[in-house]
Amino acid sequence: QKEVEQDPGPLSVPEGAIVSLNCTYSNSAFQYFMWYRQYSRKGPELLMYTYSSGNKEDGRFTAQVDKSSKYISLFIRDSQPSDSATYLCAMSTQAGTALIFGKGTTLSVSS
Amino acid sequence: GAGVSQSPSNKVTEKGKDVELRCDPISGHTALYWYRQSLGQGLEFLIYFQGNSAPDKSGLPSDRFSAERTGGSVSTLTIQRTQQEDSAVYLCASSFGTDHGYTFGSGTRLTVV
Repeated sequence: QKEVEQDPGPLSVPEGAIVSLNCTYSNSAFQYFMWYRQYSRKGPELLMYTYSSGNKEDGRFTAQVDKSSKYISLFIRDSQPSDSATYLCAMSTQAGTALIFGKGTTLSVSS
Repeated sequence: GAGVSQSPSNKVTEKGKDVELRCDPISGHTALYWYRQSLGQGLEFLIYFQGNSAPDKSGLPSDRFSAERTGGSVSTLTIQRTQQEDSAVYLCASSFGTDHGYTFGSGTRLTVV
């Protein structure tokens, strides 16, 4: 079992839909959770950062962490064609250590 | 510079040759990371530099891979005797201290033929 599992998709939705992206993990020591967005032929860019359990909202994006279930989610409201990208979850046990990434989910939002 | 700069952006090399990939991090960022991204494999951690501490080399896949960081700034990843399975996008990221807000470069796309 990989440390971080993420469904690669692809996920296709119409513009305006609510998108749910998820990752599961096996290491209960993970405390820091991140979501990155990666456009084709670009490096990943940080979208959301959450420490421990709970929710965090930023505009159309909401990140949720459920440590009891070892499950994290990213919700995108009112999805736009510009949201079409690969979304990568990442996590670590300590601040300032290497992140463990999921394989990424490819999202396509059609207008 | 404003962002993390990587060069070259693309590199095609013959099997068995050595290659050097360069990363210029954001000025003032003390931490520098190298990752490898292969098709369908996600990002694989290679090596991590933090300030003047000894680097964390635990992700390097073989002794053909090495990296150095000179003067706490520019880093070079060297792959000796390249193999076809080394073909991937090599991504560099930097951050300030233990901040998890990595900034990634656009990567070097390495193709070994």
